[in-house]
Amino acid sequence: RKEVEQDPGPFNVPEGATVAFNCTYSNSASQSFFWYRQDCRKEPKLLMSVYSSGNEDGRFTAQLNRASQYISLLIRDSKLSDSATYLCVVARNTGGFKTIFGAGTRLFVKA
Amino acid sequence: NAGVTQTPKFQVLKTGQSMTLQCAQDMNHEYMSWYRQDPGMGLRLIHYSVGAGITDQGEVPNGYNVSRSTTEDFPLRLLSAAPSQTSVYFCASRQGEAGASPKQFFGPGTRLTVL
Repeated sequence: RKEVEQDPGPFNVPEGATVAFNCTYSNSASQSFFWYRQDCRKEPKLLMSVYSSGNEDGRFTAQLNRASQYISLLIRDSKLSDSATYLCVVARNTGGFKTIFGAGTRLFVKA
Repeated sequence: NAGVTQTPKFQVLKTGQSMTLQCAQDMNHEYMSWYRQDPGMGLRLIHYSVGAGITDQGEVPNGYNVSRSTTEDFPLRLLSAAPSQTSVYFCASRQGEAGASPKQFFGPGTRLTVL
């Protein structure tokens, strides 16, 4: 079983739709949580950190449930420019350098 | 700031050849790492460094060597290329420990094909 698991997708949605991505992690020692965005043939870039209290950045809302070891990302009012792969990332300081990337969920937003 | 730079952008090797992928950062970051990305696998850590002179293995280190003689540079050496090493390689850097530092900066990647 992978340490970080995501829906593989792809998700195909029309412009203006709300789309939710889910992610689960297996190591309870995980300390920090992030969503990265990766455009086709480009490097990953940090989209937002994820906090237990939930956090919002414009159209993007991230949630963390430590008890269930579950992370989510909600995108409201999808834009064509949101088309990308979204990577769930989990980090901890125990056991060496540990930043674990999920395989990513591909999103296609269509006009 | 150039951020994290990688060279070359593309490379084709024959089985058994060796080469070095270059990575440099100008942000004075302590931590640097190399990942490979394969379809459906996500990014997997090859080697990492927590400072000049200090390196350690990640999840998939076999067939690769690294060194960190300066803060800025972190080259990745393929000792004897194999087709299984065909992948996209990303170098990344960040300032602090994984649990504390929110952001890794990635280079643009090197697309390697081994024939």
